[in-house]
Amino acid sequence: DAKTTQPNSMESNEEEPVHLPCNHSTISGTDYIHWYRQLPSQGPEYVIHGLTSNVNNRMASLAIAEDRKSSTLILHRATLRDAAVYYCILKYGGSQGNLIFGKGTKLSVKP
Amino acid sequence: GAGVSQSPSNKVTEKGKDVELRCDPISGHTALYWYRQSLGQGLEFLIYFQGNSAPDKSGLPSDRFSAERTGGSVSTLTIQRTQQEDSAVYLCASSSLAGLRNEQFFGPGTRLTVL
Repeated sequence: DAKTTQPNSMESNEEEPVHLPCNHSTISGTDYIHWYRQLPSQGPEYVIHGLTSNVNNRMASLAIAEDRKSSTLILHRATLRDAAVYYCILKYGGSQGNLIFGKGTKLSVKP
Repeated sequence: GAGVSQSPSNKVTEKGKDVELRCDPISGHTALYWYRQSLGQGLEFLIYFQGNSAPDKSGLPSDRFSAERTGGSVSTLTIQRTQQEDSAVYLCASSSLAGLRNEQFFGPGTRLTVL
């Protein structure tokens, strides 16, 4: 699985949008981009995933660059509950294997 | 429906003792994973079970660690002769074969402290 690079930490104000970047310049054509987050004292939870096209779900949006070498997780209105570590992970499509977690981005949300 | 459950939630043991950690995956999920997270560290993969296939043990840090999955459901992670560096949160996850999303559902973890 290819490596991803994320900022160590980011800050946001409550009710403002948050853009969490991820670089994955060595992504292969069959890698899906997955995002998980880990709230304090909890196990990680799935947020969203995509291959080439931008994706939206009830939690967030995922914007994928045309060359797929980077992506951005977008939280449209940050809440205090969104304070967590966000992990960007590449995974071979169709693979049931393990996730490889990096350090992630620790998001702080200020009231 | 019920999510992934793990027990115990906390375990304190003395160095050199054996411990068993239990994971109940989501019913019907064929894949089960164990990870651990040490203080201030990222999540580290330990072992992966898929159906009746031989498990992927490539992440186990030493031969003191072993895991089994009985009847394709419940899994037990065993750590023999525990060491202080084994102190961590041990997380279990499960996933379904259906679709490409392969979303992993994580349990709340077992916090292991080795004194």
